[in-house]
Amino acid sequence: GAGVSQSPSNKVTEKGKDVELRCDPISGHTALYWYRQSLGQGLEFLIYFQGNSAPDKSGLPSDRFSAERTGGSVSTLTIQRTQQEDSAVYLCASSTGGSAKNIQYFGAGTRLSVL
Amino acid sequence: GQSLEQPSEVTAVEGAIVQINCTYQTSGFYGLSWYQQHDGGAPTFLSYNALDGLEETGRFSSFLSRSDSYGYLLLQELQMKDSASYFCAVRDRETNAGKSTFGDGTTLTVKP
Repeated sequence: GAGVSQSPSNKVTEKGKDVELRCDPISGHTALYWYRQSLGQGLEFLIYFQGNSAPDKSGLPSDRFSAERTGGSVSTLTIQRTQQEDSAVYLCASSTGGSAKNIQYFGAGTRLSVL
Repeated sequence: GQSLEQPSEVTAVEGAIVQINCTYQTSGFYGLSWYQQHDGGAPTFLSYNALDGLEETGRFSSFLSRSDSYGYLLLQELQMKDSASYFCAVRDRETNAGKSTFGDGTTLTVKP
C-alpha cells in the first residue's frame, strides 16, 4: 500500500483479555517500529525489527507484551492479560533502514481502551 | 542512554515566528530529527540535522549545534494549521543506530 496501515483503528477490551494489533509496513521497508503513546505524552519505544536481525525488545514494558514480524513484512503486537494502564495509542512505523536520515513513516495507530 | 528536553507548550499568533528548542544527552550522537503530529493523527517527518547549521525547508527550518547538544525548529509565517505537537528525536551511534529516542513533544497553539 501507499502508507503504513494499522488495524484495528480502535479496540475496546476488558481487563485480563488478550489483544493483537496489526501493522502493515510500506512495501520494501526493512525496519519496523512499535511505539506507545499515552494521552498528551511522547512516543515510548517498544520494539524494533531490522531485516532478519534479532529484534530490539528493550522497550517492552513487561513480559505480557510481545511482537513478531512474519516474512519481513506484517507485524503483530500482542498484549496478554491486558491491564487498564495499557490503554494508549499504539503506533507502528517503518523505514528503509539504510539512510542516514532514517525517516520513519507512521501509521494512524490503534487506540486501545482497557475497561 | 539518551534523554531529550523540549518545552511542553508554546503559543503564538498567526503570521508570527516561533522557535521550539530541544536539548539532548546521548553517548554518541548521530542525528536530530523533527516530527509533527496533529491531534489524533500520525507523526510525520519534518527535518533532519546531522551537521551543525541550519536546514531550511519552506516555512520550516531546523538548526543544530552539536557542541551545545542543542537544536531548534523554527516555524515562520505561522498558520492555524501549524497547531500541532512537535517532537525532536535523536539517534545514538553507540546503542542501536536504527532506533530513535523521542522527546515528550511541544504542543504549539497558533491563535488568530
